[in-house]
Parts: sequence; structure tokens; C-alpha cells
Amino acid sequence: GQNIDQPTEMTATEGAIVQINCTYQTSGFNGLFWYQQHAGEAPTFLSYNVLDGLEEKGRFSSFLSRSKGYSYLLLKELQMKDSASYLCAVINSNYQLIWGAGTKLIIKP
Amino acid sequence: DAMVIQNPRYQVTQFGKPVTLSCSQTLNHNVMYWYQQKSSQAPKLLFHYYDKDFNNEADTPDNFQSRRPNTSFCFLDIRSPGLGDAAMYLCATSRGGDRNQPQHFGDGTRLSIL
Repeated sequence: GQNIDQPTEMTATEGAIVQINCTYQTSGFNGLFWYQQHAGEAPTFLSYNVLDGLEEKGRFSSFLSRSKGYSYLLLKELQMKDSASYLCAVINSNYQLIWGAGTKLIIKP
Repeated sequence: DAMVIQNPRYQVTQFGKPVTLSCSQTLNHNVMYWYQQKSSQAPKLLFHYYDKDFNNEADTPDNFQSRRPNTSFCFLDIRSPGLGDAAMYLCATSRGGDRNQPQHFGDGTRLSIL
């Protein structure tokens, strides 16, 4: 089968740093996306990784290790508006997008 | 601004009464997707269009149909909604050709069944 594993929920403090992990087992790999989804809203695109390493975009960075089937999303200088679910999604060899269930991130003052 | 627009944001229908959800896009993307998402779950792909080519997921119930009359519009028809069909329905688009393009989502339609 194909699956994406992410923690269900995480809590962090405003101003701190948090790392959300994602591990995947899919039939082939053609890239990994991270999306942010606020409650009751649609997912919005954050990042795309297809090569190993770290991609940085402002306060958000995403890391990929293809050999380990592993990615993480790093959020720095957390703000209250970062409270949302973060979904990891992998494109497999058939170009199907396999979604994780998302990690609900709760930011406390 | 180019975008994906879903109407309505909230839809209430009765058990067994057909309902249609609509999606339009100004991105000129040739791929359009319909997802069903229930609370705290991953989005579940129902079907997608690559241009006019319709692709149904194997486990999408026959109760769900789709139409794409032109590049800009796509509709989701639920012929006889059941209580289990209450969910958020998300429309997304992506640029074809390069299949690693990110998908751009509309705001979704939350469907309630009475």
C-alpha cells in the first residue's frame, strides 16, 4: 500500500521554532508538497521538494531525504496565524498525489 | 487576480435530493480536480479532468458524477446524497504538461445533508 505518516497534532509557543515530520512509503517518487490548511478553508501551497536537501522560503523551510522517505517542514518565529493543519503530499511514479491526513499545529501565546 | 472559485461556500440539501457544486477558474489550467475532505482526514480524490479527458478514481461511488463543459468550469453532481456524503468538497487546478506543478485550490463547498 501507499501511505504518508504525520503526527496528528503538535503544540508550540509563539516566537518559537517547530518541525513537522512526514514519512512516506509510495510506489515511486516524483516530488513532495507541503500545504497549509486553516480550519474550514482550502489548502494553500507552501513548498515543493524533489531533490534531497533544504529549501528555504522566508520563515518556512522544507527538507527532503529520498533515501529515508522522509521530509520535514520547519517553521520559525511562529505567529498565532500559523495555527493550521499542515499536509504532506507525495507524487508517486504514476503521478498520483498521495495525501497525508495533516498535522494540526496549535500555537500558544 | 487569477483564481479558483467555488460556489456556493455552504450547501444544504436533503437526503436523496440531487445537488450540484460548481467550480470555475481563471488560471487557464488544463487539469481540474474534485476532492472530498472530511474532518481531520486527507483530501480524497474523486476524479480529475486533463483537458476533456475524464479520469475517475476506482473507489469513487457511482453516485458522484462530473461535467466539464469548457476549460473554465467544472461541476460535481451528487445524484442521491446520503448522510455519509456530508463533507467539504474541494476543487483544484494545475497546469498540465509538467505533472509536478502544485495544485491550486478553491475555498471549498461545505455540504450538509438533512
